[in-house]
Amino acid sequence: DIQMTQSPSTLSASVGDRVTITCRASQSINSWLAWYQQKPGKAPKLLIYQASSLKSGVPSRFSGSGSGTEFTLIISSLQPDDFATYYCQHYNNFSPYTFGQGTKLEIK
Amino acid sequence: QLQLQESGPGLVKPSETLSLTCTVSGGSIRGSSYYWGWIRQPPGKGLEWIGYIYYSGTTYSNPSLRSRVTISVDTSKNQFSLKLSSVTAADTAVYYCATYSGDYSFDNWGQGTQVTVSS
Repeated sequence: DIQMTQSPSTLSASVGDRVTITCRASQSINSWLAWYQQKPGKAPKLLIYQASSLKSGVPSRFSGSGSGTEFTLIISSLQPDDFATYYCQHYNNFSPYTFGQGTKLEIK
Repeated sequence: QLQLQESGPGLVKPSETLSLTCTVSGGSIRGSSYYWGWIRQPPGKGLEWIGYIYYSGTTYSNPSLRSRVTISVDTSKNQFSLKLSSVTAADTAVYYCATYSGDYSFDNWGQGTQVTVSS
């Protein structure tokens, strides 16, 4: 199986900060990567698909980049609503879909 | 807009079979290009893909669970279902149903249902 490793596991930041979360795949997944936001007690919400495409309705302060094995999610200017846990997930069809362990974004 | 809603027992005894149903509204399973999937999240932990089914009945599941997983679809009721056999405490989790597409991955989710395995 392809292992997905996120860093950091926890991130403390302030409103207005620029935040970067990294996701590494144990082998190349081309651009078959999605990012999700999850708030406590809620289902995950898709933010980014195919590594860099913003889902309709998601604020433009979210962006994704990368290909192969290394990917990043950037929030350009943190808003109060953005404090949540973020997961990456590969969807390379030659391997079972797996998620990263999550990055918890906390208020500093 | 598609809406998904999980339902089923919240408590299952060890060694028994967990059974959940996902009811779809706002669209039809029959003829849809989506795969209809299940994902779970143990308490305080990350997400695990269980499997999915196409409206035709073709299924794919996580090899780690494959021997215990059955996913089925009832297009007449616009529902799909998950059965997980021989459950243990390790199967305690919030279970989500979700739509999958090759472009977007999992883009519509149910609210999730807590299932606890305990005697």
